[in-house]
Amino acid sequence: RKEVEQDPGPFNVPEGATVAFNCTYSNSASQSFFWYRQDCRKEPKLLMSVYSSGNEDGRFTAQLNRASQYISLLIRDSKLSDSATYLCVVILPLYNQGGKLIFGQGTELSVKP
Amino acid sequence: DTEVTQTPKHLVMGMTNKKSLKCEQHMGHRAMYWYKQKAKKPPELMFVYSYEKLSINESVPSRFSPECPNSSLLNLHLHALQPEDSALYLCASSQEGPGLAGGLSTYNEQFFGPGTRLTVL
Repeated sequence: RKEVEQDPGPFNVPEGATVAFNCTYSNSASQSFFWYRQDCRKEPKLLMSVYSSGNEDGRFTAQLNRASQYISLLIRDSKLSDSATYLCVVILPLYNQGGKLIFGQGTELSVKP
Repeated sequence: DTEVTQTPKHLVMGMTNKKSLKCEQHMGHRAMYWYKQKAKKPPELMFVYSYEKLSINESVPSRFSPECPNSSLLNLHLHALQPEDSALYLCASSQEGPGLAGGLSTYNEQFFGPGTRLTVL
């Protein structure tokens, strides 16, 4: 089982749609969680951190369920500019080595006019 | 300055060449990272430097040699690469990194540079 698993893509949605991405992680000791966005041939950029209480930034809402080891990202009123690959990222603590980022495989989103 | 810069943007090299990739940040971050990313795949961690010391080497072949001259700079020296090493090489930094003396630690979020697209002929 992969350490971080995401919904397979691509997601093709019309403008204005609401789209949800899901991510599960296998190690219950995982700590910080993030969603990154990566445009084609560009570097990943931090979209938002994910907290147990849930957090919202404009049209984007992230949720963390530690009991189910599940992370989600909801995009409302999607725009053409939201088209990108969305990467779920988990920090796995490693005793005596600190922690390391584990990336999910990414979910490609294509928003169409 | 909230940027991580990388040079060169593109690099084409032969299998016998020696080249270096450079990364710089002026955010006062104490951890810096090298990742390798192949097309349609997520970034794969190669090395982590924390407080200018190599903290993690993800079993990377010795033809890749990292160097951290100071807290703002990170280099990746390349020698005798193979065509399968062609990829996007990403540098990242974060405010904190792994502890030096062990124990559990967590990273703050990482900020990525634009990457160097490397082609090995």
